[in-house]
Amino acid sequence: QVQLQESGPGLVKPSETLSLTCAVSGYSISSGYYWGWIRQPPGKGLEWIGSIYHSGSTYYNPSLKSRVTISVDTSKNQFSLKLSSVTAADTAVYYCARQRGIAAAASFDYWGQGTLVTVSS
Amino acid sequence: QSALTQPASVSGSPGQSITISCTGTSSDVGSYNLVSWYQQHPGKAPKLMIYEGSKRPSGVSNRFSGSKSGNTASLTISGLQAEDEADYYCCSYAGSSTTWVFGGGTKLTVL
Repeated sequence: QVQLQESGPGLVKPSETLSLTCAVSGYSISSGYYWGWIRQPPGKGLEWIGSIYHSGSTYYNPSLKSRVTISVDTSKNQFSLKLSSVTAADTAVYYCARQRGIAAAASFDYWGQGTLVTVSS
Repeated sequence: QSALTQPASVSGSPGQSITISCTGTSSDVGSYNLVSWYQQHPGKAPKLMIYEGSKRPSGVSNRFSGSKSGNTASLTISGLQAEDEADYYCCSYAGSSTTWVFGGGTKLTVL
C-alpha cells in the first residue's frame, strides 16, 4: 500500500520560504513515476504546483516557476517543495501525490492527507 | 496556462444520472484523450476516479464513466447515490514543457 505524508511548518511569515517534505512508503521513488505537489486555497479549487520525475527532472506551473523548487532524496524516499517569497495568497492546503503513467497519461493515483500552511506575520 | 472550465455546480436525485463537463483547448484536453477525474469530500484528499480519459482504477464503481468530444471531457455518474455528493475536478496534461492543469471544480449535490 503506497502512502504519502506531508510535513513542515504550518505557519510561514510573508516574504519567507515555505518548505515541505513528502515521505513515501510502500513504493520506492527511484523505481519510477512522477511525484507532484498540488495546493488548494481555503474554499477554492486545486492548483498543480509542480512535479519531479524519478530521474530528477522537474516540471513547474509557469505561474509559480520563478518561486518553486522541487527536489528528491531517494536515500530517504522522500521529495520536497520550496516556495520562496510567500504572500497571503500562498495560504493553502498543500498535497503531495504520486503520478502514475507517462507524461500525458500521468494521473495522481495516491495522495497525502494534505497539510495546511498559513502565511501570516 | 488557464484552468479548465467546469460548471460550478450540478445536482441530481438519487438514481438519476448526471454529467460534469470539463472544457479546455486544443492544447490540452483537445490534444490528449487522457483527462483524469477526482472526487473530493469535505476535509479529505482528492481521490482518483477516472484516468486516461475513461479508465477506472480498481475499486471505483462502474457507475462512473469518462468520455471526450473535441476540447471537452465529461464525467458521467449513473445511479446517483448520496455518497456521490462531493466536489469533482478534472485534470489534463497541457503539453509544452510538461505541465498539468486542473479544472475549477464542480460541486455535486444529491437532492
